[in-house]
Amino acid sequence: QVQLVQSGAEVKKPGASVKVSCKAYGYTFTGYYIHWVRQAPGQGLEWMGWITPNSGATNYAQKFQDRVTMTRDTSVSTAYLELSSLRSDDTALYYCARGYRSSAFQLWGQGTLVTVSS
Amino acid sequence: EIVLTQSPGTLSLSPGERATLSCRASQSVSSNYLAWYQQKPGQAPRLLIYGASSRATGIPDRFSGSGSGTDFALTITRLEPEDFAVYYCQQYGSSPLTFGGGTKVEIK
Repeated sequence: QVQLVQSGAEVKKPGASVKVSCKAYGYTFTGYYIHWVRQAPGQGLEWMGWITPNSGATNYAQKFQDRVTMTRDTSVSTAYLELSSLRSDDTALYYCARGYRSSAFQLWGQGTLVTVSS
Repeated sequence: EIVLTQSPGTLSLSPGERATLSCRASQSVSSNYLAWYQQKPGQAPRLLIYGASSRATGIPDRFSGSGSGTDFALTITRLEPEDFAVYYCQQYGSSPLTFGGGTKVEIK
């Protein structure tokens, strides 16, 4: 079955880092880009960037440029999002989504809740 | 960065009625790369429309998208109970990709 399965919820303290995983099933992992989108509680959707699993090239939204790292491990068909220097306003659901460089997102992960609290 | 403004913020309608949602872009969306998503509580967004007017796989034909350039619309011809949700537009024609703030369609 074609799906993206994300890692479980995380609770972090301000200033810490978090790493979220997104494992692909049922399709060729290197054939599509993985985008990351976040959603703060009760708020809208915010695009963070993409990684192309084929080469590992990335494109980050400027807002996150200095705090985000997207990586992938093709041997386990998994993409990772790492966000550093966490603040309380980073509390959100983090989604991975499958697409191309410029595309709509037909396939989404189930989301990973990251809570930042002292 | 292209800013997408959705209106209205909330639409109160009854089942069977027609819903028209608007999405206005601050500059022209390249190649009309405009998508619409539906999101229900506790769920990931679901792609409805891409390329401004193409329905995604499995989407009922009561959903239709229209528009070009800077003005786009999503129309739901006859609201079913399962259509009450939040709807987002997204442009993917230029980086950064951006989303509108959403329109909530609620039961009147």
